[in-house]
Amino acid sequence: EPEVTQTPSHQVTQMGQEVILRCVPISNHLYFYWYRQILGQKVEFLVSFYNNEISEKSEIFDDQFSVERPDGSNFTLKIRSTKLEDSAMYFCASSSSMVGTEAFFGQGTRLTVV
Amino acid sequence: DQQVKQNSPSLSVQEGRISILNCDYTNSMFDYFLWYKKYPAEGPTFLISISSIKDKNEDGRFTVFLNKSAKHLSLHIVPSQPGDSAVYFCAASYLQMNYGGSQGNLIFGKGTKLSVKP
Repeated sequence: EPEVTQTPSHQVTQMGQEVILRCVPISNHLYFYWYRQILGQKVEFLVSFYNNEISEKSEIFDDQFSVERPDGSNFTLKIRSTKLEDSAMYFCASSSSMVGTEAFFGQGTRLTVV
Repeated sequence: DQQVKQNSPSLSVQEGRISILNCDYTNSMFDYFLWYKKYPAEGPTFLISISSIKDKNEDGRFTVFLNKSAKHLSLHIVPSQPGDSAVYFCAASYLQMNYGGSQGNLIFGKGTKLSVKP
């Protein structure tokens, strides 16, 4: 069964450092998303990506964040100058079409900023 | 601004009985609703969905009911099994027209932790 894969499963980084979270979406999917879940809180939408550009982004997704699809298979989330409050589970998701189909989620990357 | 609300953080049910998980939403633009199940240290897994043109959708032991006038949906699990113990997230989306296409981003509730006791 096709699945969304994320690497690494756990990333520890020092405050102020840059991190790149990687995702391989399901191969025939066209829509890509990043969500995050701070411990004990709800799953929050960060950004959606279609046709090699950002479609929508939340207030959380400020200039510190960027996304890229560098090679047609990977989908990355870069966080520049990480802050302690960036510590969370980051989930990548993909879907085959617009609303009306479910999004498939990866296992998540736990980011710990120390 | 919580557009999707799950007011019960936890629910405990005996094995074999019915589990009812509730969700309320505020945005009348939402036209597609989904339930996801999440185990610890895993990503959310899609469970069942319902379009706003329907008021019920059933898949095996899982049934989702939608009451548009009340902006309320519920997930019924019957009979409940210990393996159903997980956090259940309600999510909603609506079609947004963007340049080059259209997309619906999921807005999640905070989740309800279901415990099914043997």
